[in-house]
Amino acid sequence: EAGVAQSPRYKIIEKRQSVAFWCNPISGHATLYWYQQILGQGPKLLIQFQNNGVVDDSQLPKDRFSAERLKGVDSTLKIQPAKLEDSAVYLCASSPDQRETQYFGPGTRLLVL
Amino acid sequence: KQEVTQIPAALSVPEGENLVLNCSFTDSAIYNLQWFRQDPGKGLTSLLLIQSSQREQTSGRLNASLDKSSGRSTLYIAASQPGDSATYLCALTGGGNKLTFGTGTQLKVEL
Repeated sequence: EAGVAQSPRYKIIEKRQSVAFWCNPISGHATLYWYQQILGQGPKLLIQFQNNGVVDDSQLPKDRFSAERLKGVDSTLKIQPAKLEDSAVYLCASSPDQRETQYFGPGTRLLVL
Repeated sequence: KQEVTQIPAALSVPEGENLVLNCSFTDSAIYNLQWFRQDPGKGLTSLLLIQSSQREQTSGRLNASLDKSSGRSTLYIAASQPGDSATYLCALTGGGNKLTFGTGTQLKVEL
């Protein structure tokens, strides 16, 4: 069974530029999550989708971050404009349904200069 | 707001030793608790999931326990091996189905 796919794996941008990350969850998984993991910290949930609807985006900085999950499958996370403090690993995860085991992708490591 | 603490932050042990990693949380109203492993530059791998009605789960050399009343969980690793070296994270699913992570314990198993 294919796992969660993410791209790109690494991205270096300058502050105030925009960037987008892509996630393809495990086939059939209804729930998709985006996390931000800053160096030395645990992952922090940014947004959770159930199919193509948003369940929780309370910790998403909506002035600069946006995410969508069209057709309830793939998802993209965008940052515009990026700040230095956005440097982190962005992890995508999926689960068959809410409260079930989450399966994580390899993450996208973002460095904002 | 759920607070999750993991102690110690880092641990180094010789190969073959049994060890315990600790996780404490402030809000006992949880649905489940998971232990994850994270290798450098990689995503997270779920090791064990304990439902709130359960006390423990076992998988191979790993055993995780859950005590909701005291707000604690432990991950026991038996006969540690160098391949066990990684960062171990506990995470709880609470209200709103949100997964809250601890900061992790970085484990190094030396030959």
